[in-house]
This record gives sequence, C-alpha cells and structure tokens, in this order.
Amino acid sequence: QVQVVESGGGLVKPGGSLRLSCAASGFTFSDYYMSWIRQAPGKGLEWVAYISSSGSIIQYADAVKGRFTVSRDNAKNSLYLQMSSLRAEDTAIYYCTREIFGDVWGKGTTVNVSP
Amino acid sequence: QSVLTQPPSASGTPGQRVTISCSGSSSNIGSNYVYWYQQLPGTAPKLLIYKNNLRPSGVPDRFSGSKSDTSASLAISGLRSEDEADYYCAAWDDGLSAWVFGGGTKLTAL
Repeated sequence: QVQVVESGGGLVKPGGSLRLSCAASGFTFSDYYMSWIRQAPGKGLEWVAYISSSGSIIQYADAVKGRFTVSRDNAKNSLYLQMSSLRAEDTAIYYCTREIFGDVWGKGTTVNVSP
Repeated sequence: QSVLTQPPSASGTPGQRVTISCSGSSSNIGSNYVYWYQQLPGTAPKLLIYKNNLRPSGVPDRFSGSKSDTSASLAISGLRSEDEADYYCAAWDDGLSAWVFGGGTKLTAL
C-alpha cells in the first residue's frame, strides 16, 4: 500500500546535527513532490520544506532556512532532511508527506534538542 | 501566531452539524486552494479535504469543505464521538512563499 516511513530522530544537543530519512513505497516516488512538516509538543503543524519530484525546486520555511537541507534519492525512493545548528525550538515530531499538501503522511520521527 | 486563524475549540452533540472556520487573506486563501486535516489523539494528521471541497477516497461525505473570498469552513454533519480530534486548515501563501497552517481547532463531542 501507499506509505512513507520516517526514521533518524533522536536526542541531540543544541548546536548539533541530525539526518532524517523517509522511505516511500507503494507509489512512483519520482513522480511526486515531497514535504517535511513538524509538530512541536502540544502545538500545531508547521511546514518545514518541500522538494520537487526531480529535486530541482526546493523551498524552506524561514525558521529553518540556512540550517536545514532537504534532498531526495529517486533511485532509492527516499527523502532526507539534514538538520544542523539545531535549537531547542526544533524539538518536534517530523512528518514526511507526499505532495506539498500532504495526501499521505508517515507516523513521524521525534527530534528532541536538549542539553 | 498562525497565518490562518481558526477557533481553538468547537463542540457539538452527537448527530449535530458542526462548522469550523478558517480565516486568511488575499495572499493565501483568497488566491489558493484550502486543505483540511484531521488529527486523532496520538496519531499523525490525515488529509480530510483538498482543493477547497474535495474528499479523498475513504473520507465520509459527512465531511464537507467550502471557501468564500478569504475564508473557508469545514462542516461535519451527523457528529460522532469518533470525530473528536484536532482539525487544521492550510493553504499556500504567495506572499510568504510558504505552506501555512491554521492553529488548529479541538473538536469535542459532548
């Protein structure tokens, strides 16, 4: 069935780095834009970034611009989010979604930025 | 402070019709499609309505969406206890070049 599965979350110190992965299956990954959306504990949804089907078009939210890098490997049906210079306010569940608007969501992976 | 404005809470009795509003501006709702998501407790969000008023396969027709100028609404008819969830609206914002969400509305079935 159509699904995306995130991995790579964990506990990291402020200023540290982390790389999230998203494995897609059940659809032609290379045909779709993909996005990362996050949700801080007890808070609402916040868009992080999207990448076009070929990877040629990328947009970031202002809150992560210059610190996060989204990429994809269509041969591996995988989406990535490289996060650096992490801050406490980056603590959240990170969801991988198909399309900018998210017609398919994963269960999320938790990132905790704490000393 | 969210770009799109939703009431923080809404409620209704089983069987009742409930509406949730989403207010934006000319740069988002006024010029782009609106999307709605349902997030049941402890789970990931799920797409409920896309392109203002279309339902993905499997979403009951009790759920409907509408849009007028810079506002949108989600209506739930025949409210059920299993509809208790957080509901979010979203749209692309041309001015911000960003996908923006409402702050979410917690729906309670009394």
